[in-house]
Amino acid sequence: SQELEQSPQSLIVQEGKNLTINCTSSKTLYGLYWYKQKYGEGLIFLMMLQKGGEEKSHEKITAKLDEKKQQSSLHITASQPSHAGIYLCGAETQGGSEKLVFGKGTKLTVNP
Amino acid sequence: GAVVSQHPSRVICKSGTSVKIECRSLDFQATTMFWYRQFPKQSLMLMATSNEGSKATYEQGVEKDKFLINHASLTLSTLTVTSAHPEDSSFYICSAKPPTGGYEQFFGPGTRLTVL
Repeated sequence: SQELEQSPQSLIVQEGKNLTINCTSSKTLYGLYWYKQKYGEGLIFLMMLQKGGEEKSHEKITAKLDEKKQQSSLHITASQPSHAGIYLCGAETQGGSEKLVFGKGTKLTVNP
Repeated sequence: GAVVSQHPSRVICKSGTSVKIECRSLDFQATTMFWYRQFPKQSLMLMATSNEGSKATYEQGVEKDKFLINHASLTLSTLTVTSAHPEDSSFYICSAKPPTGGYEQFFGPGTRLTVL
């Protein structure tokens, strides 16, 4: 079965700093999703990547899928306290599948 | 954007009782909904796929007789935890995907279940 490893598990940064979260898959990624979750709440969709080398941006958040399609990174530029939360990567269990497997998440704290 | 609601948001029950959690797609029809469970500091684990008008498909290791799923309409799926025990305490989240193409799944806000 496919497993997603996220690193780091937690991250504390000062407001204004850049940061990167990584998601490494045990198998080829067909569809890679990034979500943000506040503790005890549902998931907010951020971005979805499918093609090797693909890069997408939303406001100050950029996600990339590497060429070999087994790793994705999420980069936040000039972090703000509003970026704090748990970032989860999720992947389709097979191409076109609606079923998703998730990493354990990265808890981000942004200190003002 | 599409909205998915869950009810209740929190529930506390005694061991041995059954608890029903509702998942509704508020502004779209969902032929398929998904139920996940999340333990503290763990990833979301897919429990089952709920299909409107047919039986749910359960993931390996999930007891179908314990976690009853009913997808009664195109906007409502329910998860009933039968004879709940403390080890069933968890955060249950549902998701739904609009049938009109696209890849985004919309997640509900989750239900925190505590079994005493």
